[in-house]
Amino acid sequence: GDSVTQMEGPVTLSEEAFLTINCTYTATGYPSLFWYVQYPGEGLQLLLKATKADDKGSNKGFEATYRKETTSFHLEKGSVQVSDSAVYFCALSFLTGNQFYFGTGTSLTVIP
Amino acid sequence: DTGVSQNPRHKITKRGQNVTFRCDPISEHNRLYWYRQTLGQGPEFLTYFQNEAQLEKSRLLSDRFSAERPKGSFSTLEIQRTEQGDSAMYLCASSSSGSPNIQYFGAGTRLSVL
Repeated sequence: GDSVTQMEGPVTLSEEAFLTINCTYTATGYPSLFWYVQYPGEGLQLLLKATKADDKGSNKGFEATYRKETTSFHLEKGSVQVSDSAVYFCALSFLTGNQFYFGTGTSLTVIP
Repeated sequence: DTGVSQNPRHKITKRGQNVTFRCDPISEHNRLYWYRQTLGQGPEFLTYFQNEAQLEKSRLLSDRFSAERPKGSFSTLEIQRTEQGDSAMYLCASSSSGSPNIQYFGAGTRLSVL
């Protein structure tokens, strides 16, 4: 079936460090891929998305490239800030948008 | 655009009681989704509506769960005869038919069953 596997956390980084959170997927068709972020006490917010192979999604310094050959959508940021501390979820959906399949989430803590 | 609103934010109940949660989607969105999120896990799909029609239900949605969206606006999720295993965060999301796979999430209702 369709699913998303995410790198387990928690991840702790110093401010200005490089971030990578791995995400791989299994899908029967051609999904769109997403990264959502959840700050404490808040709902999930869409961080970035990519709808087809080789697309790069980017937002707020975060980037992820849709790699069909490796079925991956790894999240990267060149220099993290304390305010990036949150839980990050990788997800896939199909164009029908009937439902999302989420990974288990990766908790990121950035220390000054 | 006030975003997706969920009430209550927290609910504590005793096992066997019934509970009801409400979700108010973004006003122009015709699709509404319910998810359940347990600690340390990602959200799991429960059901979704297009306007007032409930179009898909997950096998996670046991017969103790019922969701409605009577006028195609707000939705309610009721859990009857709650069990301790129902303790979770219940998330609501909405999207437009033009971009169905761009979902906007509410802050959720955290249910604790004692």
